[in-house]
Parts: sequence; structure tokens; C-alpha cells
Amino acid sequence: AQKITQTQPGMFVQEKEAVTLDCTYDTSDPSYGLFWYKQPSSGEMIFLIYQGSYDQQNATEGRYSLNFQKARKSANLVISASQLGDSAMYFCAMREGGGSQGNLIFGKGTKLSVKP
Amino acid sequence: EAGVAQSPRYKIIEKRQSVAFWCNPISGHATLYWYQQILGQGPKLLIQFQNNGVVDDSQLPKDRFSAERLKGVDSTLKIQPAKLEDSAVYLCASSRASRLTDTQYFGPGTRLTVL
Repeated sequence: AQKITQTQPGMFVQEKEAVTLDCTYDTSDPSYGLFWYKQPSSGEMIFLIYQGSYDQQNATEGRYSLNFQKARKSANLVISASQLGDSAMYFCAMREGGGSQGNLIFGKGTKLSVKP
Repeated sequence: EAGVAQSPRYKIIEKRQSVAFWCNPISGHATLYWYQQILGQGPKLLIQFQNNGVVDDSQLPKDRFSAERLKGVDSTLKIQPAKLEDSAVYLCASSRASRLTDTQYFGPGTRLTVL
């Protein structure tokens, strides 16, 4: 079974509007972390935002916020006021607390295109 | 603070040849990772080092892939002999430690094409 599922292969959004990228995860570990990364065409993975399983509040970083719904096992990324430079691949990833704590498990990604 | 450095950025080789990639992590980062990213997929962990020791290499194809981090800083990943299915981007990442909250920072990657 996939541990990270991103159901939107591609998304379009108008510049200056908000967009939500979906991510659902599967784990039986009570301790885990969820990460979102951006990968522009240049190839580098850029860290955007982190949410811990025990965090009481949704994480926010500038124009990025994470809509964390623990019971539904979803961790959707919300980008407000989209900019042309936001066009990229976006990956959701999870790290589980038990055993090896280093391994990031990634989803297949969502390609976001921002239209002027 | 300098980011994770990788070289080369691009490499084209024939199948059955060997190739090596180099990574220099962020200064002070004890944990180093190598990921393989096949086109259209998310990265997959190949190997994780804590200082110069291997923590996890369960997904490394050990018959052809090898990696080392001799002095706990730089690392090299080698493929010998390469196969067509090894065509991918090889990403190096580093983090301060391997705790749950430690963010992994990635380098620009090496794009390998095997002909």
C-alpha cells in the first residue's frame, strides 16, 4: 500500500489566487512528521513546510500553510496569492518516528502551473 | 550558509560502464542521504549515513551500487556496471541529525542518462 498519495498529477491556478494540493498518508506509527517540498525545473528539492503528528496547530510559513486533518490522515498544502514562480512540482513526504528516523517517503508529486 | 553541493550535474554513459557521483553536505550536518528519483516519481532513499556509518541501505542494489562517507563529510555514490534502468536523477541531502523534526536539505542533483 502506498504510504503517501497525491491524487492530482497536475493543477492549474490563476496568478494571485489560492490553491490547495492534496496529500493523504498511511501509517500506524503515532509519531510521524509530514513535509512538503517544491521542485522547480532546475531539479533541486526546496523545503517548504513541516507538520508534526503531535502539533496542535496547523503549520504556516509565509504564503504556505498546511491543512492537517489527523483523523482523515490528510496534510494538504495551501498556497495563497499564487505567483508565476510557484510553477513547479510539489511533493508531500512523511517520516515515521519508529525504527530508522531518517527515511523520507515521498508521494508521486503534483505539477502546479500558475497562469498569468 | 552554503547549501548541499553535488557534481557532476549531468552525466551520460553507455550501459555496463561505471560512474561516480560526489556530494558535499551542509557544514555541521551529521546525516547524509542519497536518493534516486526516476522520471515522474518522487525520490526514493538509497542509503543514509550518520557521520561515517551506514544507518539504512536496505534499498540500495548492492550488486552494482556502492557508497561511502569516509571522513564523515563528503560522500561518493558509485554504480558499476550501469544498467538502462539506472537513468534517473541522484539527489544528495543532509540534515543536522536524524530526529523526526530534522529537515533534510537537498542538493541540485545529478542527472544520469544510461544509453
